[in-house]
Amino acid sequence: DVKVTQSSRYLVKRTGEKVFLECVQDMDHENMFWYRQDPGLGLRLIYFSYDVKMKEKGDIPEGYSVSREKKERFSLILESASTNQTSMYLCASSQWGGGTDTQYFGPGTRLTVL
Amino acid sequence: GENVEQHPSTLSVQEGDSAVIKCTYSDSASNYFPWYKQELGKRPQLIIDIRSNVGEKKDQRIAVTLNKTAKHFSLHITETQPEDSAVYFCAAGQEGNEKLTFGTGTRLTIIP
Repeated sequence: DVKVTQSSRYLVKRTGEKVFLECVQDMDHENMFWYRQDPGLGLRLIYFSYDVKMKEKGDIPEGYSVSREKKERFSLILESASTNQTSMYLCASSQWGGGTDTQYFGPGTRLTVL
Repeated sequence: GENVEQHPSTLSVQEGDSAVIKCTYSDSASNYFPWYKQELGKRPQLIIDIRSNVGEKKDQRIAVTLNKTAKHFSLHITETQPEDSAVYFCAAGQEGNEKLTFGTGTRLTIIP
């Protein structure tokens, strides 16, 4: 059974702080993804990675960066948090091409930036 | 890039009745169309998917239909039950492209 975990369920940060969100998957999946979920906007892709140390921008990468130093771990970094980054952040992984393969999601991190 | 539109944004259905959620996509190269269900407070999970070489796929009370010419696909849930209450997301993807594009979601409420 695929397990995708995220470091925190709830997080409260102040404007300007550097924020790290971590995601770990235990199924040796090649691809990992970071989405943000906002009411009425669905799931929007921030960044994805198809291999260790490889990353690609998604649809809304501004204000975010990512790191994938190990295959099982994918980190999302908010360099200087702003209030408009208050959102639910979901990590996902897939074994093969994310465009045609099942994506397995983590439980989400609800981030509030004050 | 791909654009996926999903309707309606909210849907209330009497228990036992059917529910239909519709999505349209813009990129004719898309050939994979999954549906994810997200129950309240939980993570999205795949419930059914369809590839462009078939027009319809069924799994018990759930079915998905695809019209490639019109570039739209739909989720059909029959004999709805309270546990069907959730947010449903459609998505579109294609071979050689690493990402899915999701719709904006439909909140389905089953009225007992």
